[in-house]
Amino acid sequence: GESVGLHLPTLSVQEGDNSIINCAYSNSASDYFIWYKQESGKGPQFIIDIRSNMDKRQGQRVTVLLNKTVKHLSLQIAATQPGDSAVYFCAEKKNDYKLSFGAGTTVTVRA
Amino acid sequence: GAGVSQSPSNKVTEKGKDVELRCDPISGHTALYWYRQSLGQGLEFLIYFQGNSAPDKSGLPSDRFSAERTGGSVSTLTIQRTQQEDSAVYLCASSTLGAGELFFGEGSRLTVL
Repeated sequence: GESVGLHLPTLSVQEGDNSIINCAYSNSASDYFIWYKQESGKGPQFIIDIRSNMDKRQGQRVTVLLNKTVKHLSLQIAATQPGDSAVYFCAEKKNDYKLSFGAGTTVTVRA
Repeated sequence: GAGVSQSPSNKVTEKGKDVELRCDPISGHTALYWYRQSLGQGLEFLIYFQGNSAPDKSGLPSDRFSAERTGGSVSTLTIQRTQQEDSAVYLCASSTLGAGELFFGEGSRLTVL
């Protein structure tokens, strides 16, 4: 089965609020993690990544947190906008090349 | 183009027919991946190419599935004797050697009637 998964399949958030999307992984040997965003009918698009030697990384309006103790990854989106509505996937790299993806969380932004 | 290009974007076929899906990776990217995404599901790894060789074919669901890559560039995923359960979006991605991020194409949506 999948070693990377998300806690909730759906998330509804009010426009302007912050969003937090969670992901649990099971392989403690994974050393690289990525968050992807997938809009309807499109391919996944890179949002942000983090290596296992870090516990936090910030981008534009997004922050990824990595807790290796409990094997948990989260994506925080600040001031959520309608354009943030999409499916969000976390992925882990278990070796030199293969990314394994979780099932995804569908984020819906309410106006 | 600047991104990963896939064709066809949509393919409807009858059960039992063969289909070919094409991927043009980003120029210079030596690594190429095929993933499958069923409706409402996550991405299922199919195969990985490094140059023209495929060191990992572990994700191919059955011997009806095959893929090749020529000239270190274009890749073709072939599905023989298609079945209804093959209906999905087939995503191609590419990356530079040793890089973390994969760049995805828009996918080829396959519908088997």
